[in-house]
Amino acid sequence: GAVVSQHPSRVICKSGTSVKIECRSLDFQATTMFWYRQFPKQSLMLMATSNEGSKATYEQGVEKDKFLINHASLTLSTLTVTSAHPEDSSFYICSAAASIENEQFFGPGTRLTVL
Amino acid sequence: TQLLEQSPQFLSIQEGENLTVYCNSSSVFSSLQWYRQEPGEGPVLLVTVVTGGEVKKLKRLTFQFGDARKDSSLHITAAQPGDTGLYLCAANQGGKLIFGQGTELSVKP
Repeated sequence: GAVVSQHPSRVICKSGTSVKIECRSLDFQATTMFWYRQFPKQSLMLMATSNEGSKATYEQGVEKDKFLINHASLTLSTLTVTSAHPEDSSFYICSAAASIENEQFFGPGTRLTVL
Repeated sequence: TQLLEQSPQFLSIQEGENLTVYCNSSSVFSSLQWYRQEPGEGPVLLVTVVTGGEVKKLKRLTFQFGDARKDSSLHITAAQPGDTGLYLCAANQGGKLIFGQGTELSVKP
């Protein structure tokens, strides 16, 4: 199967700082990438959908100015959590697909802890 | 309201027991997927069911898609500690994957 990586795997930061998470498709070109957030003992909640070269589409209730998404190439999407606060602590997971109709391949996730 | 209702949400059983996890909806889906997720990792696709009434087997796991394509079930026979994890059903809606709440399975030796 296709491989998707995320970096870093875990990050601890102070409140008020910004954190960037990278999502890479290693062996295929991903026209579409998705960003999910998962709180402990809960399911995955879609935050936004990003298409290469265009602006991301955010789900209702997700602040686009707080969660900046960039999908500048067919193999890389980044999620920047700006001015992070403790309530932003969560497990962030990306997925990548060759197109929006294709199967999504998930990354291993990034554990963000904001102190 | 949750588009996909999974039950039970938590299940703790002994090694060797059988179990069934349900994923129900009032909507009709063209396909439905089951994932397994271990702590600290991303979900891994187990199976996609497409045809109403379809049954797929993956070793000790049996997946069924309802005739009306509104519900699905996952049955595990003779569960093992290695089956421990979060099981998620998901459906594609307009290119987005919508997940059920998940079933946290713990199999004790």
